[in-house]
Amino acid sequence: EVQLVESGGGLVQPGGSLRLSCAASGFTFSNHYMDWVRQAPGKGLEWVGRIRNKANSYTTEYAASVRGRFTVSRDDSKNSLFLQMNSLKTEDTAVYYCARSTTLVTPYYSDFWGLGTLVTVSS
Amino acid sequence: DIQMTQSPSSLSASVGDRVTITCRASQGINNYLAWFQQKPGKAPKSLIYAAFSLQGAVPSRFSGSGSGTDFTLTISSLQPEDFATYYCQQYYDYPFTFGPGTRVDIK
Repeated sequence: EVQLVESGGGLVQPGGSLRLSCAASGFTFSNHYMDWVRQAPGKGLEWVGRIRNKANSYTTEYAASVRGRFTVSRDDSKNSLFLQMNSLKTEDTAVYYCARSTTLVTPYYSDFWGLGTLVTVSS
Repeated sequence: DIQMTQSPSSLSASVGDRVTITCRASQGINNYLAWFQQKPGKAPKSLIYAAFSLQGAVPSRFSGSGSGTDFTLTISSLQPEDFATYYCQQYYDYPFTFGPGTRVDIK
């Protein structure tokens, strides 16, 4: 059974940092591109960033709203995805989801999502 | 960035109704369009990819159509478990972008 479990959310002050993790199981994690998507309270979905697999040099893509502040990384040996968030702003308050991208068809889209972890940026 | 719009923003329908949701991209996206369903407090669930391909285990009452910039999600006979918010997403170009969502609730 495919599972994605996010952790690391919590309350942080503006300007602070937080590192989110996503533990993957039930599939060959190393083969898949992985995404982070967030959802502010009562709002819609916003794509945050993507990391490709080893075959594609672990390259990354980011939304303009987080580029330079957030970093997506992964540890294939631990089946884990990470989101390092620095210089946090109140508008970064959201539930953060990790999402797996399919390998069956290209281009790769998100076919499975975790349950999310809440990040609150407030003083 | 590619802008995605959806209409309507919300609708009320009854069990058994046919429901249609429209999604429009600000430029051509080569049918690289996905639909997701989200229920309150839950993670989004993939329904359709490549504009009309059904994700595995998704009921056949869901269908997608369209091309270029205009796309449609249709639920042929609305079921109680279908009351949710539906989002389209383009994955043609970075940054990937979502539509604002369409909330489907009970009439």
